[in-house]
Amino acid sequence: AQTVTQSQPEMSVQEAETVTLSCTYDTSENNYYLFWYKQPPSRQMILVIRQEAYKQQNATENRFSVNFQKAAKSFSLKISDSQLGDTAMYFCAHGSSNTGKLIFGQGTTLQVKP
Amino acid sequence: GAGVSQSPSNKVTEKGKDVELRCDPISGHTALYWYRQSLGQGLEFLIYFQGNSAPDKSGLPSDRFSAERTGGSVSTLTIQRTQQEDSAVYLCASSFQSGGAQPQHFGDGTRLSIL
Repeated sequence: AQTVTQSQPEMSVQEAETVTLSCTYDTSENNYYLFWYKQPPSRQMILVIRQEAYKQQNATENRFSVNFQKAAKSFSLKISDSQLGDTAMYFCAHGSSNTGKLIFGQGTTLQVKP
Repeated sequence: GAGVSQSPSNKVTEKGKDVELRCDPISGHTALYWYRQSLGQGLEFLIYFQGNSAPDKSGLPSDRFSAERTGGSVSTLTIQRTQQEDSAVYLCASSFQSGGAQPQHFGDGTRLSIL
């Protein structure tokens, strides 16, 4: 069975600074995907970034990047130049390669302060 | 519309009543997923449909929960004899195909409150 753990229930960062959100996972699959989703107060889940487990290169999307350590089963999200609009709950998720079924962590609430 | 549509947005009902939640996926998406999000928690997988294949029901918490997908498009999640612990936000997602390579697009969810 797959599990995802986010050990930081809440974090805050000053606008324009950098913050890193932690995520660890456990999986029995050889091929899988990892995701970070953002959920603002509007409730909609928004895909932030995706990493394919067979790729060693860390994924990057503009101000968002990941540090994927496969052996350690760690998948942290770095947000650079934080903006007020980044305030949201962030979920780390493991995706099955075959079914796409997502297993989510408990989430980290991030507040960006002006 | 262009996105995943869920209805109703909010539903309040009395304990013991049955409820139906609807999901209209993005046109052309063959995979459809239901998740449940309890207050302040992460999302919990419930069920997924892929094309005409038998659905994966492994996440349904009890036999009071069921779901169907008619014509490979709209899906309905039914909860019978609702209990207070069923109170949560129910989220639906769809993707072009099943498999982790395809990103899932989420609806805004239905907030279900059981009195």
